[in-house]
Amino acid sequence: GAGVSQSPSNKVTEKGKDVELRCDPISGHTALYWYRQSLGQGLEFLIYFQGNSAPDKSGLPSDRFSAERTGGSVSTLTIQRTQQEDSAVYLCASSFQPSGGTDTQYFGPGTRLTVL
Amino acid sequence: QQQVKQSPQSLIVQKGGISIINCAYENTAFDYFPWYQQFPGKGPALLIAIRPDVSEKKEGRFTISFNKSAKQFSLHIMDSQPGDSATYFCAASSTISGSARQLTFGSGTQLTVLP
Repeated sequence: GAGVSQSPSNKVTEKGKDVELRCDPISGHTALYWYRQSLGQGLEFLIYFQGNSAPDKSGLPSDRFSAERTGGSVSTLTIQRTQQEDSAVYLCASSFQPSGGTDTQYFGPGTRLTVL
Repeated sequence: QQQVKQSPQSLIVQKGGISIINCAYENTAFDYFPWYQQFPGKGPALLIAIRPDVSEKKEGRFTISFNKSAKQFSLHIMDSQPGDSATYFCAASSTISGSARQLTFGSGTQLTVLP
């Protein structure tokens, strides 16, 4: 594809409901990252995938958050029993297997989640 | 623990002026320092990046200055234009495991360039 795509672009849900956010990385990118961006804030790292495995889950804020990646491509971030503090823009990024100590991450447009 | 501190939070510059955004880091394991530009409703996009073995990198109107001993780096935008109005994030990269990298972002600077 031309770039990283995410769906839905906007999601409004009620407190306590589960939501699934999808990320389609750039074809051929082996690394995939999820970030959370709260209003007026920086980007908070959530989780990283190398292929289908997630060697670093340290950024997930609670056990209500989980993510998976299948076929080394599409990833889904699931938030269970959503809370109002989960409202944010969820960004996905992908990158090539880095070399030379650099790793350009290409970001999708994000999913804006609003929990009422 | 905020590992990358960015200032100012917001910046207003006249067209043609110089915009300067500063960042400081603590973790000496960081070895790659990119700047990202984000327009409203879009994801961040890589603008320019530097490694710590050089003190300056210039690409067009954008320059990164890097001071390794002070653990500080800054973005200078020369001849600022209204189209440069966006949020700018500095970041620092380090190895997670193997060849995988993790970006730690600053809190962002909202730049407004007045026409």
